[in-house]
Amino acid sequence: DAGVTQSPTHLIKTRGQQVTLRCSPKSGHDTVSWYQQALGQGPQFIFQYYEEEERQRGNFPDRFSGHQFPNYSSELNVNALLLGDSALYLCASSFLYNEQFFGPGTRLTVL
Amino acid sequence: QKEVEQNSGPLSVPEGAIASLNCTYSDRGSQSFFWYRQYSGKSPELIMSIYSNGDKEDGRFTAQLNKASQYVSLLIRDSQPSDSATYLCAVNDNTDKLIFGTGTRLQVFP
Repeated sequence: DAGVTQSPTHLIKTRGQQVTLRCSPKSGHDTVSWYQQALGQGPQFIFQYYEEEERQRGNFPDRFSGHQFPNYSSELNVNALLLGDSALYLCASSFLYNEQFFGPGTRLTVL
Repeated sequence: QKEVEQNSGPLSVPEGAIASLNCTYSDRGSQSFFWYRQYSGKSPELIMSIYSNGDKEDGRFTAQLNKASQYVSLLIRDSQPSDSATYLCAVNDNTDKLIFGTGTRLQVFP
């Protein structure tokens, strides 16, 4: 049973560029949540997708957007990258309101 | 602002000892509580979940919840060097959004 997968593993971008991160949930899961984890901090909730809709959103600017596809996979898009966007981006999947399981993450470096 | 507080550590314990990790939370409406383990450079791994007051045991791990005191803890018995990691406490207020603490770094020395 495959767990949560994310791609790419690492990414280097320059300020002002745009990036797309991808996530495939664990088999049987229908909800995908995205988190940002800065060095030395706990993950911060960005948003959550269920039934292809954004169900709730954390305190992140509109530069952060997402999408969920009919197969439950999801994308996180970040526009106009800032140096402060450098972080580990984590995708977590769950079924209804149950436990969330994280993927390996995408390490984004903005230069 | 809903908050989850943890001592950042490091918490150093000798091999074979009991490690005690603590977490407090601010939102009395919180319903679900989780402990994740995160090794350096890796993603968080769920190790315990607890939903009602009292203790929940799973192998060497015991989670304890006291909703009246807004306190949740994790005990690791017979600590091993492989337990050395950062332990993240997370709280869910039933909106299915996890709020994390900053984590406690645990070091188990031989």
